[in-house]
Amino acid sequence: AQSVAQPEDQVNVAEGNPLTVKCTYSVSGNPYLFWYVQYPNRGLQFLLKYITGDNLVKGSYGFEAEFNKSQTSFHLKKPSALVSDSALYFCAVRDGGNTPLVFGKGTRLSVIA
Amino acid sequence: EAGVVQSPRYKIIEKKQPVAFWCNPISGHNTLYWYLQNLGQGPELLIRYENEEAVDDSQLPKDRFSAERLKGVDSTLKIQPAELGDSAVYLCASSGPGHHNEQFFGPGTRLTVL
Repeated sequence: AQSVAQPEDQVNVAEGNPLTVKCTYSVSGNPYLFWYVQYPNRGLQFLLKYITGDNLVKGSYGFEAEFNKSQTSFHLKKPSALVSDSALYFCAVRDGGNTPLVFGKGTRLSVIA
Repeated sequence: EAGVVQSPRYKIIEKKQPVAFWCNPISGHNTLYWYLQNLGQGPELLIRYENEEAVDDSQLPKDRFSAERLKGVDSTLKIQPAELGDSAVYLCASSGPGHHNEQFFGPGTRLTVL
């Protein structure tokens, strides 16, 4: 069965500094990996996905994520954080088959001006 | 393009009462999902529809929860009777054909059971 771990409940970063939100996964087959962001009282918004191809995936709002197969990780990154990036971030995985998407517990990102 | 629509946005009921949530997916999306999100947790799948067929309902507590998507478009999730532990956010999502397509989420219905 697939699973996702987001080891940090909270990440604090100063505005303008680079940010990283960590995610590791476990699947039996080839992973399909996703990042979503959730703002207060809103649904989840899709940021980016890795299906196959280049290990560095670029997504919305300047975010990117790097797929590392040997470390089974898919960390979310942004070169320069904005206060408006403060939100709850979820990593999710499904294997190559028609299986449900499994979400991590989420990491709350706080960008301080 | 309109997103996934859910109603109501908020619902407060007393325990043992019934409650229903409605979802209208993005036009053309044949796959519809209902998720449960508890406070401080990620969404957990309750049921997945491919058109009008429920293809994965293994996590749906069938003693009190039911769902339908009669015409393969909008869907209703019902709880009867509600329990205190059902207080959570119920999210609906939809996706287009293909296993790797991203899911688009609605704003959710926040249920409070008193």
